[in-house]
Amino acid sequence: NAGVTQTPKFQVLKTGQSMTLQCAQDMNHNSMYWYRQDPGMGLRLIYYSASEGTTDKGEVPNGYNVSRLNKREFSLRLESAAPSQTSVYFCASSVGTSGGHGETQYFGPGTRLLVL
Amino acid sequence: AQSVTQLGSHVSVSEGALVLLRCNYSSSVPPYLFWYVQYPNQGLQLLLKYTSAATLVKGINGFEAEFKKSETSFHLTKPSAHMSDAAEYFCAVTPFSGGYNKLIFGAGTRLAVHP
Repeated sequence: NAGVTQTPKFQVLKTGQSMTLQCAQDMNHNSMYWYRQDPGMGLRLIYYSASEGTTDKGEVPNGYNVSRLNKREFSLRLESAAPSQTSVYFCASSVGTSGGHGETQYFGPGTRLLVL
Repeated sequence: AQSVTQLGSHVSVSEGALVLLRCNYSSSVPPYLFWYVQYPNQGLQLLLKYTSAATLVKGINGFEAEFKKSETSFHLTKPSAHMSDAAEYFCAVTPFSGGYNKLIFGAGTRLAVHP
């Protein structure tokens, strides 16, 4: 049981390049999330998916798109990377759908992205 | 809108000393409350959570937190710090109802433990 896995671990992009961050969970969870972590700001939600086939914006969605490929996988795409998107990106999952308040979210190890 | 305030971005303690990390939330209705820990170059791991049962919550690695509604606080404590406790700690809340299972994080407190 690997939990939540993310690829790649580290990536360097030039401004304007695109890339997709991959996330997969093997816990049969319904909800999945993408966060970014910046110094002094904690984690902020970019997008979430309450169930397979649904996605919704979080707090900071601009410049990102997501795809819930199936129940296991949730990808984050940067279409045209900007230096402001330099950050550490975390994927998380939780067992229930949007009604599951108070559920624990389980986090992956993160992807460090540097945009030059 | 709900928010979380963690007092002190850096806390330093001696090994064996009390650890106290402060967290205050703003909400008219007590939310669900969480403490997560992040070790260097790793993801976040749940330490403990409050879900309106007992106000004193015990977590992993000897940590505990007390929910105080009158003070809107959920401070994290550990009686005796260990070198392995050095990490960044995040307090987070999620609404009691409505919307989705959204976690709102504080800015984090980095704990240093020195011999």
